[in-house]
Amino acid sequence: SQQGEEDPQALSIQEGENATMNCSYKTSINNLQWYRQNSGRGLVHLILIRSNEREKHSGRLRVTLDTSKKSSSLLITASRAADTASYFCAPVYSGNTPLVFGKGTRLSVIA
Amino acid sequence: GAGVSQSPSNKVTEKGKDVELRCDPISGHTALYWYRQSLGQGLEFLIYFQGNSAPDKSGLPSDRFSAERTGGSVSTLTIQRTQQEDSAVYLCASSLAGDRGRGAQHFGDGTRLSIL
Repeated sequence: SQQGEEDPQALSIQEGENATMNCSYKTSINNLQWYRQNSGRGLVHLILIRSNEREKHSGRLRVTLDTSKKSSSLLITASRAADTASYFCAPVYSGNTPLVFGKGTRLSVIA
Repeated sequence: GAGVSQSPSNKVTEKGKDVELRCDPISGHTALYWYRQSLGQGLEFLIYFQGNSAPDKSGLPSDRFSAERTGGSVSTLTIQRTQQEDSAVYLCASSLAGDRGRGAQHFGDGTRLSIL
């Protein structure tokens, strides 16, 4: 399968703690994207990291990419209850292939 | 500005009926995608439209599923002779990127389809 695989499947933390989610993929990518999905809503694009980038920041989000290990991680610092959602990674492969999503990581931030 | 709009937000129908799901993409977005999400699962790619090019229908699960995009804007996903396994949330997304997946996709909130 071309989809990314997120790990862990579920994560529960206290408000203020950091949350780390991982994504592994199979073949060379053009870029990798992370999305968030709140219950009953569509996905929201969070961040895109290109294959020649190693780290990217956006507010409390930090994404790293290790192309040698074919993996990426999403770190949310100082988590808030509002961060409770499912998080998906989507590796974007070269060529004309569809964007594929894994099953996501369900993050619960407890106030 | 307006985001991707999908209608209806919920649809309940009997097995065997046909259903039409509508997607209004963000104005100016040339790429449009349909996905299906079953409970607790990831997104399953269904179909992709890009401008005037022939759509990529490689993800459609059966010939009961079809989609069209009129005037390069609004899209309709049609499911004929619905089955219970068609129950899912159908998500639409649009993108500025001409090359699929190279840029961010903007999603609607989906249509929750329930087949009785």
